Parts: sequence; C-alpha cells; structure tokens
Amino acid sequence: EAGVAQSPRYKIIEKRQSVAFWCNPISGHATLYWYQQILGQGPKLLIQFQNNGVVDDSQLPKDRFSAERLKGVDSTLKIQPAKLEDSAVYLCASSRGGSQETQYFGPGTRLLVL
Amino acid sequence: ELKVEQNPLFLSMQEGKNYTIYCNYSTTSDRLYWYRQDPGKSLESLFVLLSNGAVKQEGRLMASLDTKARLSTLHITAAVHDLSATYFCAVDMTSSDMRFGAGTRLTVKP
Repeated sequence: EAGVAQSPRYKIIEKRQSVAFWCNPISGHATLYWYQQILGQGPKLLIQFQNNGVVDDSQLPKDRFSAERLKGVDSTLKIQPAKLEDSAVYLCASSRGGSQETQYFGPGTRLLVL
Repeated sequence: ELKVEQNPLFLSMQEGKNYTIYCNYSTTSDRLYWYRQDPGKSLESLFVLLSNGAVKQEGRLMASLDTKARLSTLHITAAVHDLSATYFCAVDMTSSDMRFGAGTRLTVKP
C-alpha cells in the first residue's frame, strides 16, 4: 500500500512570506496529523483531523498557521506570515482510526525561513 | 502538563553490547509508542504498547511498559551498526494528544 505523501520536500522562503504544505494520507485512513519537528527535538503535534473535522488544534499558532482537510482526504497546512522560528520539518501522519492506532508518517517537508 | 523524558539523550555504544533507553512520563497513560528516525528521514513505528506489563520484541529490540511507574524501556541486545538512529518514545495522553520525548541519538561503533 502506498505511504503518506507530502510535498514539497524542501522549501526556502524569507520571513513574512507565506508557504503551504500538502499531505495525502494512506487510503482509508480517517485520522490525519500535522507535526512540527524542530532540529534536535521530538515532533510536536500541531493539529489532528478525524475525517474532515478538527479533533485537536490546541498547539497550533492560529495567528499564523491554518490547516484544512475539506473532503476528509488530502490536507494542507499554511503559514502566513512565516517567522524565523518556523524553520523545521513538518511531518504529516495518518492512522486508520484514532491516535491509539499506529501512525504512519510521511517523509516530511523541510522548511527554512531566512 | 504532560512531560515525556527520555534518557540518555545521546548514547554511543560498541557493537555486541547491551543497553537500555528509558522513557518516563508524568501523567496517567496506558498507551506508549516507540519510533525510530534515521538522519534526514521520517519516523518509523517500532512498537505500540497498550497495557501495563506489555512487552514486545522485534529482532534486537525489546520494549516494555510499566504504567504504574510511568516508565517504558527500550532494550538493545548485542547492538549492530544498523541500529544507529534516533529513537523516540511517545505517550498518548488522550485520544487527541500525543507527546513525544526529545529522542535518544544512538551511535553503534564497530
């Protein structure tokens, strides 16, 4: 079965610019997650979707970050405007059911904000 | 607030040796996960531990969970170079909140 797909793989932008990331989860997986992994740290959950509804976005900086999963399949994560501290790898993961099930991670998008 | 602490954060070991990585967490949970991450790569699921006393083994790695002590261990037996990677534990607080430890960067030397 195909894994979690993410694009782009790399992105370099200047601060105050906007950027968007795309994620296509494993087919049939109801739950989709976005994580931020800063260099040398563990991933931090930004937002979790169950189908097209938001389950948890308590750690999402809503003044600049937004995410959607309109049809319950693909998802986009947007940062507008970007700050230097947003430089990180953004990981998308999916699971068949809730977070008690194994999460499968995509390759990530490496963002550098200059 | 849930805290997940791993130790050690860095581990350098000789091939053939045994060692244990520890994962402590600060609140009640009965679900714990171990992941492996190679440099520049994404995370690969190793183990899912779903109950107190759970023990799982895969090759040279064995993971256990003690929910009363809020402790999980990842034991490495007779390490080989291919095990060099960063290992993360993650604790599932509720159905919508999973927290990762900072990771243990393991280097296995010949």
